[in-house]
Amino acid sequence: EPEVTQTPSHQVTQMGQEVILRCVPISNHLYFYWYRQILGQKVEFLVSFYNNEISEKSEIFDDQFSVERPDGSNFTLKIRSTKLEDSAMYFCASSEATPGLETTDTQYFGPGTRLTVL
Amino acid sequence: AQKITQTQPGMFVQEKEAVTLDCTYDTSDPSYGLFWYKQPSSGEMIFLIYQGSYDQQNATEGRYSLNFQKARKSANLVISASQLGDSAMYFCAMREGWFSGGYNKLIFGAGTRLAVHP
Repeated sequence: EPEVTQTPSHQVTQMGQEVILRCVPISNHLYFYWYRQILGQKVEFLVSFYNNEISEKSEIFDDQFSVERPDGSNFTLKIRSTKLEDSAMYFCASSEATPGLETTDTQYFGPGTRLTVL
Repeated sequence: AQKITQTQPGMFVQEKEAVTLDCTYDTSDPSYGLFWYKQPSSGEMIFLIYQGSYDQQNATEGRYSLNFQKARKSANLVISASQLGDSAMYFCAMREGWFSGGYNKLIFGAGTRLAVHP
């Protein structure tokens, strides 16, 4: 069964450093997303991406963050100048939403990357 | 106002019994989708079940069913014949429609931690 994959599973970084979290969405999916979950808290939407551009972003997703689809399979989240409060689990998700057709547009999540900022 | 409310921080159930996890939502959008995800202690987010706002019947997926009461804006998850492996965090989430301008993102509740006892 196709699944979303994410690497690394755990990333430890020093405050102020840049990190890149990687995701491989399900191959026929068109929408890609990043969410984060600070330990013990609810899952929060960061950004959605469609047709090689951001379709929506939350207020959390400021200039510190960027996303990119560098090739036909990978989808990345870059966090510049990391802060202690960026420590969280970051989930990538993808959905098959096809514009104009009735779909459930269910978002399938990857296993997450646990980011620890020291 | 909270878009998604899960009022039960924790629930427990005896193995083989049924359990209902509550979820209420708030939207003025006529078109929306409701999702339930399971998050085991390992951290991944597993899609369980989906209910569309226009669906006439309650969704079912194996041992999972969704008790959808549109007028009350509730979408409770029912797990029948609970198993030890059902012990996890359960999240209710909503995707609003184009009317609300938030077509892509999922809005999550705070979650309910379910413990299944032998």
